[in-house]
Amino acid sequence: GESVGLHLPTLSVQEGDNSIINCAYSNSASDYFIWYKQESGKGPQFIIDIRSNMDKRQGQRVTVLLNKTVKHLSLQIAATQPGDSAVYFCAENPKEYGNKLVFGAGTILRVKS
Amino acid sequence: DTGVSQDPRHKITKRGQNVTFRCDPISEHNRLYWYRQTLGQGPEFLTYFQNEAQLEKSRLLSDRFSAERPKGSFSTLEIQRTEQGDSAMYLCASSAGTQNSPLHFGNGTRLTVT
Repeated sequence: GESVGLHLPTLSVQEGDNSIINCAYSNSASDYFIWYKQESGKGPQFIIDIRSNMDKRQGQRVTVLLNKTVKHLSLQIAATQPGDSAVYFCAENPKEYGNKLVFGAGTILRVKS
Repeated sequence: DTGVSQDPRHKITKRGQNVTFRCDPISEHNRLYWYRQTLGQGPEFLTYFQNEAQLEKSRLLSDRFSAERPKGSFSTLEIQRTEQGDSAMYLCASSAGTQNSPLHFGNGTRLTVT
């Protein structure tokens, strides 16, 4: 089924520390995953994606880890900055859903200076 | 700015009125998506187009909602006889259309139905 949450968990980190945001996805048939960042009043902004044939992918200051055994996805942000404060969503693309993304509930990241 | 553009950014309307939103996707993208987002939740899929063809509609898209993409470029989403429950952020996204290509979102249209 589709993953839609009502309550957003919050992660508070000190500026300069590393952040880890977790996501449990729902569909074992999903073969593509994306992390988005959403700031207040704006649309989701693409951060990084990963295909199911990989378990790790790195970008600039970000790393996505995929554990298909337990259907878990994480986003690691190195040296977190105040500009990283936002809501972060993971999204999955279940094969049987065609070409649309199903979004998780989101996590609020607050960076303390 | 070559990203996805949506207009208007905000719309306040009275219950029962019709509203129409416009989306201009990234020019080389042939897939266009509409999503709806309410406070505290992730975006929910409404419908998507491959060029001018509407290929899928969610059960969330009641018969009061209609979307078009007549020339395979911009798209419109119309809501007829708006209800207070229609209040939400309506997001448009586009993608290149290749397998597993990311969706790029616009900044949405915030609809408030009074």
